Amino acid sequence: EIVLTQSPATLSLSPGERATLSCRASQSVSTYLAWYQQKPGQAPRLLIYDASNRATGIPARFSGSGSGTDFTLTISSLEPEDFAVYYCQQRSNWPPITFGQGTRLEIK
Amino acid sequence: EVQLVESGGGLVKPGGSLRLSCAASGFTFSSYSMNWVRQAPGKGLEWVSSISTSSSYIYYADSVKGRFTISRDNAKNSLYLQMNSLRAEDTAVYYCARDRTGSSGYYPNWGQGTLVTVSS
Repeated sequence: EIVLTQSPATLSLSPGERATLSCRASQSVSTYLAWYQQKPGQAPRLLIYDASNRATGIPARFSGSGSGTDFTLTISSLEPEDFAVYYCQQRSNWPPITFGQGTRLEIK
Repeated sequence: EVQLVESGGGLVKPGGSLRLSCAASGFTFSSYSMNWVRQAPGKGLEWVSSISTSSSYIYYADSVKGRFTISRDNAKNSLYLQMNSLRAEDTAVYYCARDRTGSSGYYPNWGQGTLVTVSS
């Protein structure tokens, strides 16, 4: 099973700042990695798939990069609605599909 | 518009059974693999099970293998999860999720979730 480790666990930033979230895989997942955003009481929302492709309707301030074992989600300029929990997910070697433990992005 | 609506959650005693349903609309249900993902209270996301378009391929997480059964009825645009021998650690919100394309392994569409609580 591929383990995804996200860092940091919590990131405290202010609106307008740049956010950089990391996801490291226990073995190569090529570019078969996605990022999701989840707000309290809501279902997750797909942001990025195949490491760098934005899902339908996702603003351009969200971007993904990486391949192999190291991946990054960047939010170029934080909007108030971006404060949420973010999960990475791999589909390279499944089953099982696996998720990271999440990074909480909070307002500083 | 893609809509996924789960139902069937509730309170059940350890060892009991529950059947979850997911009603799909707004897309050609038979063309997409479907999935269940759960989230324990205050915890992260855990993939539970996936089923291919014609039910030919079915996969389970080790944590539920032998206890849960995923199925679908393409004529009724519905996905199901039969959960037997439930344990306290199965307590979670259960989401049904549609694959992005066919069987991509990425989930752009989710239901609102249904809460399953296993407790005596």
